Amino acid sequence: NAGVTQTPKFQVLKTGQSMTLQCAQDMNHEYMSWYRQDPGMGLRLIHYSVGAGITDQGEVPNGYNVSRSTTEDFPLRLLSAAPSQTSVYFCASNPRAQGQGNEQFFGPGTRLTVL
Amino acid sequence: DQQVKQNSPSLSVQEGRISILNCDYTNSMFDYFLWYKKYPAEGPTFLISISSIKDKNEDGRFTVFLNKSAKHLSLHIVPSQPGDSAVYFCAASGSDFGNEKLTFGTGTRLTIIP
Repeated sequence: NAGVTQTPKFQVLKTGQSMTLQCAQDMNHEYMSWYRQDPGMGLRLIHYSVGAGITDQGEVPNGYNVSRSTTEDFPLRLLSAAPSQTSVYFCASNPRAQGQGNEQFFGPGTRLTVL
Repeated sequence: DQQVKQNSPSLSVQEGRISILNCDYTNSMFDYFLWYKKYPAEGPTFLISISSIKDKNEDGRFTVFLNKSAKHLSLHIVPSQPGDSAVYFCAASGSDFGNEKLTFGTGTRLTIIP
């Protein structure tokens, strides 16, 4: 199993540009989520999904869109990039099986810089 | 409103000694707690967890203690090794099906001095 994969690893955007951060998992996990990590802020939840066709907002959703058309993929779209979206983005998944813990498995991250 | 707090941004410990990382939470609905370890340029990796029905969980060199009345948990690493140098995040969630969202603390950077 490759686990949780993210592409690209690095990206530089200009203000106003749009892009999609890709996330895929091959563990058949129902739950997937996106976090951003900023210095002194820990990891903050952007959006999450409990299954294909179902998404919901997290703590910091503004400026981001998500969709979940398959169990495997959970892309994060930046509609019009702003310097405040400069961050490291992590995708994570969880099997969401009854009786199991809430351990989430994280991808390696995408470092995004918006100029 | 920071619901999960790690008040020590950094900690340095001599190799072989005990490392103690602390975490406080404010939300009484949290009943499942986790510790993650993060190396630079990598994603966080799960380390150990504890349910609110327990007050201690041990896995090798790592032990997590939970004090529900004080809304406090701690991670003990004994003995500390150079490879333990990393950023450690505390996280909390509900344990019910449908309460999988994790709320993270701001992290503590642990440095093990050889």
